[in-house]
Amino acid sequence: KNQVEQSPQSLIILEGKNCTLQCNYTVSPFSNLRWYKQDTGRGPVSLTIMTFSENTKSNGRYTATLDADTKQSSLHITASQLSDSASYICVVSPSGGSYIPTFGRGTSLIVHP
Amino acid sequence: EAQVTQNPRYLITVTGKKLTVTCSQNMNHEYMSWYRQDPGLGLRQIYYSMNVEVTDKGDVPEGYKVSRKEKRNFPLILESPSPNQTSLYFCASSLSPEVTEAFFGQGTRLTVV
Repeated sequence: KNQVEQSPQSLIILEGKNCTLQCNYTVSPFSNLRWYKQDTGRGPVSLTIMTFSENTKSNGRYTATLDADTKQSSLHITASQLSDSASYICVVSPSGGSYIPTFGRGTSLIVHP
Repeated sequence: EAQVTQNPRYLITVTGKKLTVTCSQNMNHEYMSWYRQDPGLGLRQIYYSMNVEVTDKGDVPEGYKVSRKEKRNFPLILESPSPNQTSLYFCASSLSPEVTEAFFGQGTRLTVV
């Protein structure tokens, strides 16, 4: 069964600090890995999308890395802001004709002033 | 403005009373999908559609129906809702299920009593 595990489950940091969120997956064969930001009660918003051949992708202060050999990804947030407080979700989609993605349970990030 | 619109945003209904949650996108996307999100669980795909008149089951299709008669609309139908279908529902669309950005609706919070 395909699985996506995210860590930590929750994280509290001070405004201005950096942080890194982790995502481990078992999905194979693998098409793409996405990171989403979800504010409470809102729909997820896409941050980055990476194929198996990419190992880094940036979107402003967000940088995602991918190691397809170890099936690990990370999302690094630089110079955090209060508006970064949200849930961050890792999603892995299979290749080979299946279009059912596997979602992680998310990391809840709280940025304190 | 590019968007995915769901209606209603909130709905309380009784067991067994048929309901429909509408989803519409204005981006001419071919791929649309429905998800449910429950506390402590990741998002799970209910159904997806590759194009008009082409739909397929996701991870948790039991108790749900969908239709795709027009490209822009993808309604979710609960023929006989039960309390275990109380959840937060999201519709999403993208050009394809592959490496293209997905846009999510604002969510529909459904309570079945």
